[in-house]
Amino acid sequence: EAQVTQNPRYLITVTGKKLTVTCSQNMNHEYMSWYRQDPGLGLRQIYYSMNVEVTDKGDVPEGYKVSRKEKRNFPLILESPSPNQTSLYFCASSLTSGGAHEQFFGPGTRLTVL
Amino acid sequence: QKEVEQDPGPLSVPEGAIVSLNCTYSNSAFQYFMWYRQYSRKGPELLMYTYSSGNKEDGRFTAQVDKSSKYISLFIRDSQPSDSATYLCAVGADSGYSTLTFGKGTMLLVSP
Repeated sequence: EAQVTQNPRYLITVTGKKLTVTCSQNMNHEYMSWYRQDPGLGLRQIYYSMNVEVTDKGDVPEGYKVSRKEKRNFPLILESPSPNQTSLYFCASSLTSGGAHEQFFGPGTRLTVL
Repeated sequence: QKEVEQDPGPLSVPEGAIVSLNCTYSNSAFQYFMWYRQYSRKGPELLMYTYSSGNKEDGRFTAQVDKSSKYISLFIRDSQPSDSATYLCAVGADSGYSTLTFGKGTMLLVSP
């Protein structure tokens, strides 16, 4: 089954404790992206990757890091989480960037930073 | 001016009503127009996809694009309670180094 998986689905942590949210896709997609979704603000792109070893900032990259060492995986790293990073996070992938191909979303990771 | 504007709602309608959801966008370079549906506690899923102007119909759903007005619409006929969700419009330019731009989403509530 074609899918994007994220782990963990729910996470409660404390300020400053480094965490990683994993994302994996099994569709051999080149393009992957991380979004955060907040009430009233919609989906905002954090980082995206056009291919292995190629990443770039989205609209709200501060406080986040990513890496793309393998085509299927695109982890999101919060090195020193703060309460304003409490949010619902989605990983997405598509064959290419832009709009030429459907973007598939993962199930989401709900993060709470105390 | 934001690239994509979408009324957040909520939009409440009775079962069987015709629903109209709309977005406006500012960049005339956009050529790909999508509607995603997001149920509560789930990730968005592609509902309708349109390239350039015109209409596209899929069952009870019709997507309409007017590039001259930079206006996109999604119509739902005979709305059902199962259509209750948040609908996000998304626009994109040619692939390469561009990315999709999403509207904030409109929450739709269809009551039985």
